[in-house]
Amino acid sequence: DIQMTQSPSSLSASVGDRVTITCRASQGIRNDLGWYQQKPGKAPKRLIYAASSLQSGVPSRFSGSGSGTEFTLTISSLQPEDFATYYCLQHNSYPFTFGPGTKVDIK
Amino acid sequence: QVQLVQSGAEVKKPGASVKVSCKASGYTFTSYYMHWVRQAPGQGLEWMGIINPSGGSTSYAQKLQGRVTMTRDTSTSTVYMELSSLRSEDTAVYYCARDQGGSPHYWGQGTLVTVSS
Repeated sequence: DIQMTQSPSSLSASVGDRVTITCRASQGIRNDLGWYQQKPGKAPKRLIYAASSLQSGVPSRFSGSGSGTEFTLTISSLQPEDFATYYCLQHNSYPFTFGPGTKVDIK
Repeated sequence: QVQLVQSGAEVKKPGASVKVSCKASGYTFTSYYMHWVRQAPGQGLEWMGIINPSGGSTSYAQKLQGRVTMTRDTSTSTVYMELSSLRSEDTAVYYCARDQGGSPHYWGQGTLVTVSS
């Protein structure tokens, strides 16, 4: 199975900050990676697909990059509604695997 | 619009089985794979498996092999996830999620399954 790691596991940031979350795969997954945002009590929401493509309707302050084994999710200017937990998901090969998550909270 | 409506919360005893349904609407049911994802209380997301509603083929997470079965009923546009030999660690919210471009995109509302004696 492909293992996914994320760093940091949590971070505290202020509104307006630039935030970067990293996801690493235990083997190459091309660009078969998505980023998800989840708020408490809600289903996850896909923000980025194919590593760098912005999901329709998602604000442009979210961006993704990377290929192979290292990926990043960047929020260019953190907004109050962005405080949530973020997960990466590899869908290169079965079984698909999520990263352990990064919780973004208010400083 | 795509809608996925899941069955209601369940309480089960250890060793029992649970079957969660996910009724799809707003698109051609057999054209998109369906994932199942679960989340234990306070924990992260866990991908459980996937079913092709067209032919019924499946792929499951290794740790659930032998206990999980995903099926579909094309006449009602419904997919099912059955988990057997339940233990306390299976207490979680279970989500179905329709694939789009290779990964889950449209999600059901979630079904809480509680395993308790």
